[in-house]
Amino acid sequence: QAGLTQPPSVSKGLRQTATLTCTGNSNNVGNQGAAWLQQHQGHPPKLLSYRNNKRPSGIAERFSASRSGNTASLTITGLQPEDEADYYCSAWDSSLSAWVFGGGTKLTVV
Amino acid sequence: EVQLLESGGGLVQPGESLRLSCAASGFTFSSNAMNWVRQAPGKGLEWVSVIGGRGGSAHYADSVKGRFTISRDNSKNTLYLQMNSLRADDTAVYYCAKERDAFDMWGQGTMVTVSS
Repeated sequence: QAGLTQPPSVSKGLRQTATLTCTGNSNNVGNQGAAWLQQHQGHPPKLLSYRNNKRPSGIAERFSASRSGNTASLTITGLQPEDEADYYCSAWDSSLSAWVFGGGTKLTVV
Repeated sequence: EVQLLESGGGLVQPGESLRLSCAASGFTFSSNAMNWVRQAPGKGLEWVSVIGGRGGSAHYADSVKGRFTISRDNSKNTLYLQMNSLRADDTAVYYCAKERDAFDMWGQGTMVTVSS
């Protein structure tokens, strides 16, 4: 099953803003929207946002998501050392009847 | 507190079978679709399977279709994954994940290693 496309890595400085992207098609991101997950090494993923821009309780406002057409974005403002992690997007693909993930973006905070 | 606890992982030889379990607590289990997602060592997340809250509908990734079967016992708040004809490329940490618009809660995972 075809997945979503994410850049493999992004590097930003402390307190800067990082924008991560996730590109799909009209059957997944463009239809149902995307969710974003954060995963620190050795830990399970954690949901950061869903349905493009909704945040679960407890997730900082520094994390905001959006969508334009078939591309979803996650913006992290005021980068902190603990934001260094792998970030994955996911979406339900209505034509495949399957969930699809992006390959993940490794965010480095320098 | 919502908790998901996977078990049943281990080392098996190619062609063998394994059944994973995921014990859920802290939420109304039967009201939520449940998923299995895996992650091979050093790799990204790969969705494996989903089952509806009442267990009536299930979908699978092409990579496991015909070999894996997802099921649930709502009376025991437990999700299962029966894995048959295991291959080396099935080696991964297997997570169960609760679904509410997205994967909103994950277990800690159980490691499955397929090797001779």
